[in-house]
Amino acid sequence: DAGVTQSPTHLIKTRGQQVTLRCSPISGHKSVSWYQQVLGQGPQFIFQYYEKEERGRGNFPDRFSARQFPNYSSELNVNALLLGDSALYLCASSLVWDSGANVLTFGAGSRLTVL
Amino acid sequence: AQKITQTQPGMFVQEKEAVTLDCTYDTSDPSYGLFWYKQPSSGEMIFLIYQGSYDQQNATEGRYSLNFQKARKSANLVISASQLGDSAMYFCAMREGYAGGTSYGKLTFGQGTILTVHP
Repeated sequence: DAGVTQSPTHLIKTRGQQVTLRCSPISGHKSVSWYQQVLGQGPQFIFQYYEKEERGRGNFPDRFSARQFPNYSSELNVNALLLGDSALYLCASSLVWDSGANVLTFGAGSRLTVL
Repeated sequence: AQKITQTQPGMFVQEKEAVTLDCTYDTSDPSYGLFWYKQPSSGEMIFLIYQGSYDQQNATEGRYSLNFQKARKSANLVISASQLGDSAMYFCAMREGYAGGTSYGKLTFGQGTILTVHP
């Protein structure tokens, strides 16, 4: 079975531009979460979606937005890019969203470089 | 305040030996979960092991075990019989209970420990 797939794997943007990152969860998984991992740090939570509804939001500015589609895939959008947005963006999927033991399965990430 | 602290930026171990990676956490929530993930240079986070706050026994998954000391708020990962393929970044993470209003999708990660296994 395919794992969590993310696209694109690498991309370069300039300051002020907008970017869209895509994620396809594991088949049967209805919850998708997004994380930002700056070089040398642990991932930081951005959003969680379940059944197309936002279930959680981290401490990120409104320039960051996301949505989930009927097939449970998801997009993360970042507007007005800043140099500090350069990071590895990780998508994770899980069967449910409201269980403490819920294991997140991560994709390989999209590496964004902002020049 | 740091919720997850990993004090070892880097660790070295000889192949076939055991190694312990340290993790301490901070929460006032009685219900929480602790996770360890491995991140090779490819970037993908690989789930290793989970420990619930109410679990009486330490979790084990093959060569991985979690030394859970609740009173000390520590959740150290023990890797037995290290292999060259274990060389990677290791992250400790915590999910707090929903009673705190936290999304169950939210894992709070530590800074990570780079493990290098020498032949």
